[in-house]
Amino acid sequence: ILNVEQSPQSLHVQEGDSTNFTCSFPSSNFYALHWYRWETAKSPEALFVMTLNGDEKKKGRISATLNTKEGYSYLYIKGSQPEDSATYLCAFNTGGFKTIFGAGTRLFVKA
Amino acid sequence: DTGVSQDPRHKITKRGQNVTFRCDPISEHNRLYWYRQTLGQGPEFLTYFQNEAQLEKSRLLSDRFSAERPKGSFSTLEIQRTEQGDSAMYLCASSLETADQFFGPGTRLTVL
Repeated sequence: ILNVEQSPQSLHVQEGDSTNFTCSFPSSNFYALHWYRWETAKSPEALFVMTLNGDEKKKGRISATLNTKEGYSYLYIKGSQPEDSATYLCAFNTGGFKTIFGAGTRLFVKA
Repeated sequence: DTGVSQDPRHKITKRGQNVTFRCDPISEHNRLYWYRQTLGQGPEFLTYFQNEAQLEKSRLLSDRFSAERPKGSFSTLEIQRTEQGDSAMYLCASSLETADQFFGPGTRLTVL
């Protein structure tokens, strides 16, 4: 059974704090790892897709790293802003059509 | 707006009623996915279409659930004889390739 674990489940930070979350996934049969941001009442929005061990991706204040050998990815947010408040989902894909999602990390950024 | 759309956004129904949801994918996307998301969980895969062919159904999809994509464009998900346990967010996504799924805003179903 393929399982994707995310931690923490939720996180409360102050505006300006930097933060990071973890996604753990099976290290075998790896094809791609996705990060999504899901704001309330909106569609999940793709942040990154990573396919190679050691990949690092960056988009503004948000960045992600990937370790396929040990089966984890980190998402970092530098200088959190209230508009970063959302659920951050990671998803694991083995190359087929099926994508396995974690339960997400819910981030609350207080002004 | 050229993104994935879903209709309705919210549906409240009584137990035992049938409901149908619609998903309009991004027009050039040949792949379409349905997911279900309940509180505290991530989206769970329900079914997948490539063009009009339904290629996979999760064991989560009981025989009360049926999905169609008759012309390889929009898709419908029908739930017959709804139960309270069917209450969830139903998400649709589309893609050209596995690596990039674009999601709709979801249909939130509440079964009373």
